[in-house]
Amino acid sequence: KQEVTQIPAALSVPEGENLVLNCSFTDSAIYNLQWFRQDPGKGLTSLLLIQSSQREQTSGRLNASLDKSSGRSTLYIAASQPGDSATYLCAVGTYSGAGSYQLTFGKGTKLSVIP
Amino acid sequence: GAVVSQHPSRVICKSGTSVKIECRSLDFQATTMFWYRQFPKQSLMLMATSNEGSKATYEQGVEKDKFLINHASLTLSTLTVTSAHPEDSSFYICSAPMGKEGGELFFGEGSRLTVL
Repeated sequence: KQEVTQIPAALSVPEGENLVLNCSFTDSAIYNLQWFRQDPGKGLTSLLLIQSSQREQTSGRLNASLDKSSGRSTLYIAASQPGDSATYLCAVGTYSGAGSYQLTFGKGTKLSVIP
Repeated sequence: GAVVSQHPSRVICKSGTSVKIECRSLDFQATTMFWYRQFPKQSLMLMATSNEGSKATYEQGVEKDKFLINHASLTLSTLTVTSAHPEDSSFYICSAPMGKEGGELFFGEGSRLTVL
């Protein structure tokens, strides 16, 4: 059974700092990995999707890397801003033996960027 | 990006009543939609996979008679919580993949259910 762990659970940084969020997963046989942002009481916003054959994806100030063999992904946020404050969720996509696709989520990292 | 709309965003109901939550893909068709539940400070847990034109697939431990799922069209899936009880209070989120199953997932805004 796939398990996804995110460290740290919470992170507080001053505005302007670069930061890294970590995600690890136990089963390296993944189809893809997706990073999401969740604001309080809201749904999820997709940030980056990395296919299993890719090593990284970039969007603006965000860069996500994937090391499938070691079961790790990182989300790098450059020049953090107060508006980046949210919970960041990592989700690993896999296909079951029955052929159905499933996402397994970590518990998230709650980021606070202090002005 | 693609838009998934979920309604209502908040609902409060009395114990024993049924509540319907709608999930719509606004600018793309989705043969599959996923329903998740999230308890406070917990990760999202998949409840069921909704399939257009066929029965939903439920995860282990999820009561199919309590959480009725209907995927009426390529843009609409509904989750009905029947005879709701306080322990059903949670945040319910739907999602739909763009393109084929396994594609990038887009999520609705979520529905906060409070059962009194």
